[in-house]
Formats: sequence, C-alpha cells, structure tokens
Amino acid sequence: KAGVTQTPRYLIKTRGQQVTLSCSPISGHRSVSWYQQTPGQGLQFLFEYFSETQRNKGNFPGRFSGRQFSNSRSEMNVSTLELGDSALYLCASRIDLGTEAFFGQGTRLTVV
Amino acid sequence: QQQVKQSPQSLIVQKGGISIINCAYENTAFDYFPWYQQFPGKGPALLIAIRPDVSEKKEGRFTISFNKSAKQFSLHIMDSQPGDSATYFCAATARTGNQFYFGTGTSLTVIP
Repeated sequence: KAGVTQTPRYLIKTRGQQVTLSCSPISGHRSVSWYQQTPGQGLQFLFEYFSETQRNKGNFPGRFSGRQFSNSRSEMNVSTLELGDSALYLCASRIDLGTEAFFGQGTRLTVV
Repeated sequence: QQQVKQSPQSLIVQKGGISIINCAYENTAFDYFPWYQQFPGKGPALLIAIRPDVSEKKEGRFTISFNKSAKQFSLHIMDSQPGDSATYFCAATARTGNQFYFGTGTSLTVIP
C-alpha cells in the first residue's frame, strides 16, 4: 500500500511569491491534515480537510489556504511568501478522526 | 500554550541502555497518544500509540507507559541501538478532534 506522497520535496521561492504544495493521502483515507514544522515552533497545525470540507484551521494568517479534491488529494497554498514561512510542510493522512495518522516526507520550503 | 509538554529536549544513551522520554498533558479530553520517530530529512513515522484504557503497551523494544491520573505518558526504548538515534515526538488528540498536539521533540543519540 503506497504511503502519503508529497510533492515537490524541495522548493526555493522568493519573498512575495506564492507557492502550492500537494499531498496524496493513503488510498481510502479521507482526512488530510497539514502541519508546519520549524526548529523554533515545532509541529504546528495548519488545517484539516475531510471529504473536500475544511473541518478545522489552526492559528495561521489567511495567506495560508488549502483545499481537498474529490479523490482526497489535497493542496495547500501560501501567498505573499515571507522569510518566516521557510519550514518543512507535512501532510498527514488518516481514515477519519480517532484513527492513526501517517505523515508524508514533507516539502522543504525555503523563502529567500 | 503548550498542550503537550515533552522532556528531555535531548538524550544521550549508551548502546544497550534504556532511553526514557516523558510527556505530560492537561486536556482530559485527549484519548489517543501516539509517538512518532523522525530522522533528518524525513517525515515523522508512527512508532507506537496508546489509548487511556490501558496503562502500558509494548511493541518490540518500544513501550508506552500511561498514567491517566497524573496525565503523563512516557516512551521507553529498551536495548537502545545507534539506529534509534532520531528525534522523537509525543502527541495527543481527542477522538473527535481534528488536530494532533505535539510535544517539542527529544533528540536521542545512542552511542555505540
């Protein structure tokens, strides 16, 4: 069974640009969550989608957005990039609430 | 406010020794407590998890001890190996919760 796939693995963007990251969950998993990981703040919750609906959102500015498609694949978008957005962005997939969550390899975003 | 507190921040153990990482939580609604292992450049991998209806769960060399009254849980790695050198994160979530709350991580180094 294939794991959680995140693309691209690495990105370098310039301040002010926007970026889109993609996540393909494990087959049969309908819940996709996104987390930002930085050395200073650790793993912080961005948002969670289930069946194309955002069910919860963390404490991040509106520049961070996401969506989920009918096949459960999810994308997150960050607009007007800032240097502080440099981080490892992780996607987690699970069947639904209360079940195990499995992470992808992450997308390493560097904003210069 | 840190929902899950993890200690120590770093740990150095001799090969064959026991590694112990501790976590504490406040929210009594939490009812699922996983541990993740993360190697550099990789996403967190689910290691072992426990629910509060049991006080201990063992999988191979890894054991979770859970103390519901104290709201604490810990990971014990028996016969620690150099290949166990990684960062370990505890986490907690509620059955109806959308997000995981992560500890700040413990960097484990196992010396040959």
